[in-house]
Parts: sequence; C-alpha cells; structure tokens
Amino acid sequence: NAGVTQTPKFQVLKTGQSMTLQCAQDMNHEYMSWYRQDPGMGLRLIHYSVGAGITDQGEVPNGYNVSRSTTEDFPLRLLSAAPSQTSVYFCASSYQGYNSPLHFGNGTRLTVT
Amino acid sequence: GDSVTQMEGPVTLSEEAFLTINCTYTATGYPSLFWYVQYPGEGLQLLLKATKADDKGSNKGFEATYRKETTSFHLEKGSVQVSDSAVYFCALSPQTQGGSEKLVFGKGTKLTVNP
Repeated sequence: NAGVTQTPKFQVLKTGQSMTLQCAQDMNHEYMSWYRQDPGMGLRLIHYSVGAGITDQGEVPNGYNVSRSTTEDFPLRLLSAAPSQTSVYFCASSYQGYNSPLHFGNGTRLTVT
Repeated sequence: GDSVTQMEGPVTLSEEAFLTINCTYTATGYPSLFWYVQYPGEGLQLLLKATKADDKGSNKGFEATYRKETTSFHLEKGSVQVSDSAVYFCALSPQTQGGSEKLVFGKGTKLTVNP
C-alpha cells in the first residue's frame, strides 16, 4: 500500500543548480499535483495534471517544469534553483471530481543556498 | 474568488480538553468541505469531509458540521490527546467544472496538546 511516494526526502542545492523531484502513485489516480508549503503561506499549487500528457500551471509555476508521460509518475523539475525556492514540496493525487480527497506524499524538504 | 479562513494558531491545550478550530468559507453554490491533518514530518491526510449542507463529517473523534447559513465548518473534538498534536487545514472544493486543481486551503492551525 505505497500510496504517493516522493523522493528524495531532503535535498540541498546551490543557486543555479537543477534537479528533479520524483513523485509516483500506485492508485491509478488521474489527477496529480505539486504544492509548496512555506511558513505563513499555507499550501500553494505549482503545477497539476489531469491525465497522462496533460499538464497545467497552478498559482506559482515560475521556475518549475513538469511532465506526465505515464499515469503513475509526475516529476517536478527545478531549472535553475534560487533561494526563494527553499521550501517543503508535496506531491498529491486524487481521482478527478470535486468530491475526491487528495492523497499526499510525505514531502521533500529543499534548501537552496 | 473562493477562500477559506481558519483561526490562527498556535493552539495549546492540555490532554482531555475540548477542541474547536474555527473555519469559515466564501464560495458560490455548494462546495465540498474538508479537514486535513498534517502530523510532524508527514504529508497532509484527509481527516473528514462533508459534501452538502447540514452534513456532519466525523473521524477519530473529530467532528465538523457543514453550516450553509453561517458558511462555516468548525472542527471539534471532545477530549484531545497528545497524539492529536498536528497542523489542521480546512479546505473547500468549489462546485464548478474541474476537480482537485480548484481545491482551496486555509493557512493551517497548529495544535499542541500537553500531557
């Protein structure tokens, strides 16, 4: 019963470096998304996908790229890391539909120095 | 636009105390309402939900009633335990076309329960 799996759990980057945060789900959910969580800001949606081959921007997409080549995987790419991207990142998935609750991974804590 | 306002924390209680975390919302129509809980070092998980007016969601001793007339969805528990220490998020899903991408979260309320 894996649910939503995120890797890595922790990451430290230098400004300008790139990296990919991995997210995989085994519940056959159509919908997948990435949030960032910052103190006092709550959760902010970065990008989301409603199915393989379909992605769209959320509230704070700048500096991030996503792709969805399979139903299971939804990686988040940081193109050129900046200190403002220091945050905790959560991947979440659900069935489509406004009553469907989100299932979250355990997060990746990213520090950019 | 749609929004959720929940009481600011942090909230500190003694074990067996009564808990209320207030949540009010602004939305058109009849959104679905949720409470999520985030334990230290983990992601959010669904605690309870209600999908129509006067519905009561309940789980693990927590309850919340969907009040359309006051646009509220307050979280309550009669007797908290140390293990309830966590951050609680109120959220709404608008009754519009689309799905989870429309979910709106409150900023979270941190609860600490002392033995």
